[in-house]
Amino acid sequence: SYVLTQPPSVSVAPGQTARITCGGNNIGSKSVHWYQQKPGQAPVLVVYDDSDRPSGIPERFSGSNSGNTATLTISRVEAGDEADYYCQVWDSSSDHYVFGTGTKVTVL
Amino acid sequence: EVQLVESGGGLVQPGRSLRLSCAASGFTFDDYAMHWVRQAPGKGLEWVSGISWNSGSIGYADSVKGRFTISRDNAKNSLYLQMNSLRAEDTALYYCAKDKGSIAAGGWFDPWGQGTLVTVSS
Repeated sequence: SYVLTQPPSVSVAPGQTARITCGGNNIGSKSVHWYQQKPGQAPVLVVYDDSDRPSGIPERFSGSNSGNTATLTISRVEAGDEADYYCQVWDSSSDHYVFGTGTKVTVL
Repeated sequence: EVQLVESGGGLVQPGRSLRLSCAASGFTFDDYAMHWVRQAPGKGLEWVSGISWNSGSIGYADSVKGRFTISRDNAKNSLYLQMNSLRAEDTALYYCAKDKGSIAAGGWFDPWGQGTLVTVSS
């Protein structure tokens, strides 16, 4: 089955840039979606199709995808960005949706 | 405003059954595929099952295939998950989520409900 690997944690100071990676075999050939989950809340879509943002999501959130790594970038990080972040793809070989292992972003 | 409200969770003994429901509003329910995604306590997200707009295409995670059955009633704007032969490892918060399109094959989940907690324990 297809596996998506994320770093368990990323720490960043306010105002700096956080980069969260999502590794998978030839992930660049797939569409990657990203979710933010704050404590006690349901996940929220923050990036879809590698780099598009849903309405209402700040421009500070951006995404890229190439080769074996997709990246979610959060610019000018704020305290309110502290959350768990998950990447997700559709694996057409198994007809399954796959989530990454998740990354906890801590704002110092 | 799109709203998804799950219900039906609770404490159940191993081997027993439970049926979850998801009431949808704020969008044309029968235009979209729908999914169940779960999250075990302190763990990550796991896709459980998805169903196309007309129930013509259904998929299950390997961990639940043969035990869980997804269904929908478009007349009632409702999604269901029948869970049989429950195991301790099925303990999780179960979320209902709307697909980006009408078929449950690819794409993303948006939005999600607040979830309903299922605890499997003797």
